[in-house]
Amino acid sequence: DQQVKQNSPSLSVQEGRISILNCDYTNSMFDYFLWYKKYPAEGPTFLISISSIKDKNEDGRFTVFLNKSAKHLSLHIVPSQPGDSAVYFCAANSNFGNEKLTFGTGTRLTIIP
Amino acid sequence: SAVISQKPSRDICQRGTSLTIQCQVDSQVTMMFWYRQQPGQSLTLIATANQGSEATYESGFVIDKFPISRPNLTFSTLTVSNMSPEDSSIYLCSVEITGGYEQYFGPGTRLTVT
Repeated sequence: DQQVKQNSPSLSVQEGRISILNCDYTNSMFDYFLWYKKYPAEGPTFLISISSIKDKNEDGRFTVFLNKSAKHLSLHIVPSQPGDSAVYFCAANSNFGNEKLTFGTGTRLTIIP
Repeated sequence: SAVISQKPSRDICQRGTSLTIQCQVDSQVTMMFWYRQQPGQSLTLIATANQGSEATYESGFVIDKFPISRPNLTFSTLTVSNMSPEDSSIYLCSVEITGGYEQYFGPGTRLTVT
């Protein structure tokens, strides 16, 4: 039972354009959402998060949008840079989940110079 | 955030043997976790390492296969016991900084079982 889904396994975007990565979840108890970036041979790096009481959170080139009614969140990266090429995971947490994170399957983003 | 190191960074082991992975954090943290990432898969939580008590395992993971120690607030070990090729994965430890939901990950241990 995949409670957090990233339906696009890969995405290619031209440098300078906007990258949009999507994530859907099924568990209505999730109330905190996070995005991680992972390079090969490294651990995931925390990027940005959003609480369920908000619908948008912005940090520099990264913006996360949350649509609770649709159980959908997205990560926007603008402008995209070659160093953004990595695998991106969304993750969700519930206050009742003993602090554990449930991860999506990941989207490999490739930025084309 | 926190600086997290893991040892070893990678290893190739024979079927039937055991490997102990170490995780060291540069500051005291309450919550430490162990994850597995199988090839091409997402990250799956193995267990929460509790300081001073037994680890809390997720469904599908048992203490006999993945014994965990947490002797203090900066260190934990995960042992992969009686290994089979299906245990070939990246094993990652993470910590949660008190007051936030964000988890910070170590660099991972890439394990190959032959």
